[in-house]
Amino acid sequence: GENVEQHPSTLSVQEGDSAVIKCTYSDSASNYFPWYKQELGKRPQLIIDIRSNVGEKKDQRIAVTLNKTAKHFSLHITETQPEDSAVYFCAASNAGKSTFGDGTTLTVKP
Amino acid sequence: DGGITQSPKYLFRKEGQNVTLSCEQNLNHDAMYWYRQDPGQGLRLIYYSQIVNDFQKGDIAEGYSVSREKKESFPLTVTSAQKNPTAFYLCASRLTSTFNTGELFFGEGSRLTVL
Repeated sequence: GENVEQHPSTLSVQEGDSAVIKCTYSDSASNYFPWYKQELGKRPQLIIDIRSNVGEKKDQRIAVTLNKTAKHFSLHITETQPEDSAVYFCAASNAGKSTFGDGTTLTVKP
Repeated sequence: DGGITQSPKYLFRKEGQNVTLSCEQNLNHDAMYWYRQDPGQGLRLIYYSQIVNDFQKGDIAEGYSVSREKKESFPLTVTSAQKNPTAFYLCASRLTSTFNTGELFFGEGSRLTVL
């Protein structure tokens, strides 16, 4: 089955700096790669996603890149703000089944 | 107000007891999922269902059971056979038309503690 590894497990940055979270996957059949943000005590919510036929996608301060050959994808957050502090999960999906990474706890210091 | 409702939010049970977690959605989604979340770990798939009266095991189905008698409802039973049931349980749903590449909508979760 699919295996997703996510790094780092914790990340602390100064407000205004950039943050990068990386994930690798094992199943070349995976074709959809979402990123979810989970604030403390709340439900995970989709922040950005990318499909396998696209290499990069941007939405304001958030971007995701995908390298299908190397089987890795990354989340980039620019100009971080304290409200970006949360746990971020990557996932790789195939045939309706999503496998998640272990999460990255991002702390943005004011 | 559309969404996914999980209940109860907090649940305590004694060892050896079965417990059922409720998940209801009014989003008209065909696919529904149950995930387990443990500290420091990602979401692990327990069971999922694409249509009524059909469901498949996920990666950690042992000790759990589900039913899908109605489109809106996908209850999860944590049986006494589940060795480490204390966890946070998340229910999610997805549009069938985006089954392969679509957003998961999550409920607020149910926290189960076994005493």
